[in-house]
Amino acid sequence: NAGVMQNPRHLVRRRGQEARLRCSPMKGHSHVYWYRQLPEEGLKFMVYLQKENIIDESGMPKERFSAEFPKEGPSILRIQQVVRGDSAAYFCASSPSLGNEQFFGPGTRLTVL
Amino acid sequence: EDQVTQSPEALRLQEGESSSLNCSYTVSGLRGLFWYRQDPGKGPEFLFTLYSAGEEKEKERLKATLTKKESFLHITAPKPEDSATYLCAVQARSNDYKLSFGAGTTVTVRA
Repeated sequence: NAGVMQNPRHLVRRRGQEARLRCSPMKGHSHVYWYRQLPEEGLKFMVYLQKENIIDESGMPKERFSAEFPKEGPSILRIQQVVRGDSAAYFCASSPSLGNEQFFGPGTRLTVL
Repeated sequence: EDQVTQSPEALRLQEGESSSLNCSYTVSGLRGLFWYRQDPGKGPEFLFTLYSAGEEKEKERLKATLTKKESFLHITAPKPEDSATYLCAVQARSNDYKLSFGAGTTVTVRA
């Protein structure tokens, strides 16, 4: 049973470009969560999604950031017009239902030049 | 807002030297407290979930305990492969999907 998959593992963008981060949850998991880990800081919740629905995006900046989890395919975290402060590790987690343990992927490390 | 404070920030141990990590938390109605291990460049790896004060869980050289205000992760006779950052997170009953993490304790075990 494959774990949570994230790609790319490393992403370099110049200021003003778009970044697209992909997450495939574990088989049988319909709940997806995105967290951000800034250098020297802890993991911070960004958004919680179920298939085709955003349940809570309270941790996500209101501008430039968006997330989706379509009926078919991976969950996508999209950052438009990236700035240097967006440089961080972005982790996706999944769970089979609410309240269960969340299993994390290996992360995407975004570097904005 | 939920708050999680982990101490110490860093811990250097000799192989075989047992020690404990602390996780103090403030949450309005605890649903669960989670421990994860994170190796450099990797995602957090789930270790334990604790739900109520007095609960204990063990896995190999690790043992997690929970009180109403804090949790401890005890490492017994650690080995170099136990070197990692250990993360504590809480989940509130009112928000049973969001994990609020502490900053972690980085453990280094020397042979």
